[in-house]
Amino acid sequence: DAGVIQSPRHEVTEMGQEVTLRCKPISGHDYLFWYRQTMMRGLELLIYFNNNVPIDDSGMPEDRFSAKMPNASFSTLKIQPSEPRDSAVYFCASSFYGMDEQFFGPGTRLTVL
Amino acid sequence: QQQVKQSPQSLIVQKGGISIINCAYENTAFDYFPWYQQFPGKGPALLIAIRPDVSEKKEGRFTISFNKSAKQFSLHIMDSQPGDSATYFCAASIKGSGGYQKVTFGTGTKLQVIP
Repeated sequence: DAGVIQSPRHEVTEMGQEVTLRCKPISGHDYLFWYRQTMMRGLELLIYFNNNVPIDDSGMPEDRFSAKMPNASFSTLKIQPSEPRDSAVYFCASSFYGMDEQFFGPGTRLTVL
Repeated sequence: QQQVKQSPQSLIVQKGGISIINCAYENTAFDYFPWYQQFPGKGPALLIAIRPDVSEKKEGRFTISFNKSAKQFSLHIMDSQPGDSATYFCAASIKGSGGYQKVTFGTGTKLQVIP
């Protein structure tokens, strides 16, 4: 298994631009999580999905952030418009029902200038 | 009440020494306490975990000590090696109604093991 796949690995954009981060979870996993990691706030859960349905988006910082999971093998996290304070590493993780462990992808390092 | 407090923020240990990272929590409903290890440029990966019904769990050179009454737990790395240099996150979680663990992470400890 290739593990959780994220793309792009690095993204540099200018303030005001739209950014789309992508994630492919491990096959068979029915939970998908999006996290944001910064030095100041550590790892924060943004949103999670179960069977492609968003369950808890209380961690999404603002309306500028949105996430979708159109099918079991693909999810996106979109920021529109992006701001410099959105600069962080964004991780996608997956798991399945009853499993304690979450499997993280390699992350996308986002820099908003 | 959902916070997990972790210390120290950074740690330098000589090769062969013992690395100790401490965490404290407030919510007594937490029922699973994992430690994740993260190398530069990689995502966090589960290292070792414990449930509150035991006071200690050992896997190789890694040991979790758990004090339920004090609401504290710690990671001990014996015979620390340069390859252990990474960021370590403690975490605490609650089983959600959907069967998944809602995880709250500590802020991380950057460990450097020097030869």
